[in-house]
Amino acid sequence: SAVISQKPSRDICQRGTSLTIQCQVDSQVTMMFWYRQQPGQSLTLIATANQGSEATYESGFVIDKFPISRPNLTFSTLTVSNMSPEDSSIYLCSVLRDRGAGEDGYTFGSGTRLTVV
Amino acid sequence: AQTVTQSQPEMSVQEAETVTLSCTYDTSESDYYLFWYKQPPSRQMILVIRQEAYKQQNATENRFSVNFQKAAKSFSLKISDSQLGDAAMYFCAYRSLWEGGSQGNLIFGKGTKLSVKP
Repeated sequence: SAVISQKPSRDICQRGTSLTIQCQVDSQVTMMFWYRQQPGQSLTLIATANQGSEATYESGFVIDKFPISRPNLTFSTLTVSNMSPEDSSIYLCSVLRDRGAGEDGYTFGSGTRLTVV
Repeated sequence: AQTVTQSQPEMSVQEAETVTLSCTYDTSESDYYLFWYKQPPSRQMILVIRQEAYKQQNATENRFSVNFQKAAKSFSLKISDSQLGDAAMYFCAYRSLWEGGSQGNLIFGKGTKLSVKP
């Protein structure tokens, strides 16, 4: 399975600023996803990062707040913009080797713990 | 839209005993995947077990097994001979196989926090 390097692992940020989280995969993957996990809660899909085109956002998440880039098949970034304390969460990158690899193709990054003060 | 429900926010088990975590889901699709993931305090999501909906046989991985009841839309996880290292959050997840139904992402339940008592 793919190996993911997600950076930073944690950060404490001032409200009103932005943070960019990086997700680097050691092999080419078809699908890349960004999830948010609020304290003590489940994982909620923010968006699917599409290579060479705009990300596909889930209801409740917008591009202005969570811009995503995916310049190639091994790398993606998620930016949390104009942060407020409500953005304090764990953000996880997940990849799927290819769309047909549903059984064991999912890999998760170790997450970024963001605290906004 | 598909939903996944885990009705047990917290569970506790004595070391070496058996515990069952519940999961139900709602879908109109006939083919899909179901997963159980473990998330220890390190935050790393670890795949515990997976089940293809078209397979009637329940999946088993060492001490972990599932009871998959497709008609009832139930997918429970049984952990036998519980160990201290099993303590974690456990998430049940669903994946649609319908091209128009999703981006290929997982849909997660709210999770069950499992404690193991020595």
